[in-house]
Amino acid sequence: GENVEQHPSTLSVQEGDSAVIKCTYSDSASNYFPWYKQELGKGPQLIIDIRSNVGEKKDQRIAVTLNKTAKHFSLHITETQPEDSAVYFCAAVPYNDYKLSFGAGTTVTVRA
Amino acid sequence: GAVVSQHPSWVICKSGTSVKIECRSLDFQATTMFWYRQFPKQSLMLMATSNEGSKATYEQGVEKDKFLINHASLTLSTLTVTSAHPEDSSFYICSARRQTGYTFGSGTRLTVV
Repeated sequence: GENVEQHPSTLSVQEGDSAVIKCTYSDSASNYFPWYKQELGKGPQLIIDIRSNVGEKKDQRIAVTLNKTAKHFSLHITETQPEDSAVYFCAAVPYNDYKLSFGAGTTVTVRA
Repeated sequence: GAVVSQHPSWVICKSGTSVKIECRSLDFQATTMFWYRQFPKQSLMLMATSNEGSKATYEQGVEKDKFLINHASLTLSTLTVTSAHPEDSSFYICSARRQTGYTFGSGTRLTVV
């Protein structure tokens, strides 16, 4: 099955700086890569996703890049704000399966 | 759009009793829903895949007789934790699959005393 590794496990950044989280996946058949933000006591919320036919996608301060050859994808948050503090999870879905395989999560703390 | 409603948000029950958690897709039909369990500071662990009109598929190590899943309609899946024990205390989250992705419920904090 798919195995997703996520780094770093914790990330502390100064408000206004950028945050980058990286994930690698093992199954070359994976074709959908969502990123979720989870606040304490709540369910994960999709913040951005990318499919394997696209190399980069951007939505305001958030961007995701995908390198299919290297089997890794990254989340970039620019101009971080205190409300960006949360746990972020990457995930991957193989084209022949419906199950999300999650990374271990990254706890992001934005210092004011 | 694409809202998944999960209830209750928290529940406290006594050991030996059963608890039902509901997951509803409010504005779309979900033929496939998923149930996860999450321990503090850990990732989501898939427990089972719920398919409308058929039996759920459980992940290895998950007791199907303890965690009963019913997906009787295209908008409702339920998870019943039977004969709950303190070790079942956890955060349970459902998710519904759509054509464009996955939407998660808000989670249920189960505490067994």
